[in-house]
Amino acid sequence: QQPVQSPQAVILREGEDAVINCSSSKALYSVHWYRQKHGEAPIFLMILLKGGEQKGHDKISASFNEKKQQSSLYLTASQLSYSGTYFCGTERSLGLVGGTSYGKLTFGQGTILTVHP
Amino acid sequence: DADVTQTPRNRITKTGKRIMLECSQTKGHDRMYWYRQDPGLGLQLIYYSFDVKDINKGEISDGYSVSRQAQAKFSLSLESAIPNQTALYFCATSDSAGGGLNEQFFGPGTRLTVL
Repeated sequence: QQPVQSPQAVILREGEDAVINCSSSKALYSVHWYRQKHGEAPIFLMILLKGGEQKGHDKISASFNEKKQQSSLYLTASQLSYSGTYFCGTERSLGLVGGTSYGKLTFGQGTILTVHP
Repeated sequence: DADVTQTPRNRITKTGKRIMLECSQTKGHDRMYWYRQDPGLGLQLIYYSFDVKDINKGEISDGYSVSRQAQAKFSLSLESAIPNQTALYFCATSDSAGGGLNEQFFGPGTRLTVL
């Protein structure tokens, strides 16, 4: 089942902040974030794992609420280069002891971020 | 040279034709994926493979088949293309270090149009 992202679109001026949310109805093992510029391939931003571990770029921050199956991506002091479509990908948990996963991502519909000078 | 390549980059074909999209990677990754992207729908998983002998269906596998010819090559076939399969197709790879899902590296995409 596809996770739900909000908002669908956001418009910013350079220097402003934005938050993009991702919500799932299923128990999650991890949440992944990607950014895609028009006509290009998606680029990895961050992985947030159950238990608090994070992997990704130092300048990107995000949170993962395991109880609510929600993640948020925080874009602070936005730059023109931040423009693009942001996708969350969720990895479901098998619910077994040890926290194993299904091993595949289900992506949200995307959030279009536009940053103006 | 690009680490993940897809051929062709663009293809226009007719309804009923058989089409093969190819993906090659030089990253040495064991996991490979095929996604389809339609406007407003994000990326949908078609098939994925964790090694040469392990191929799994994704969310939208009907009408598609795959072949993992080698660790570095993963092909997607449309046996009888239909207009509804007009979309942008991405191949992606990742490694299995740590056992979980790691960063996926995407190819440049193949834009397929079925008339």
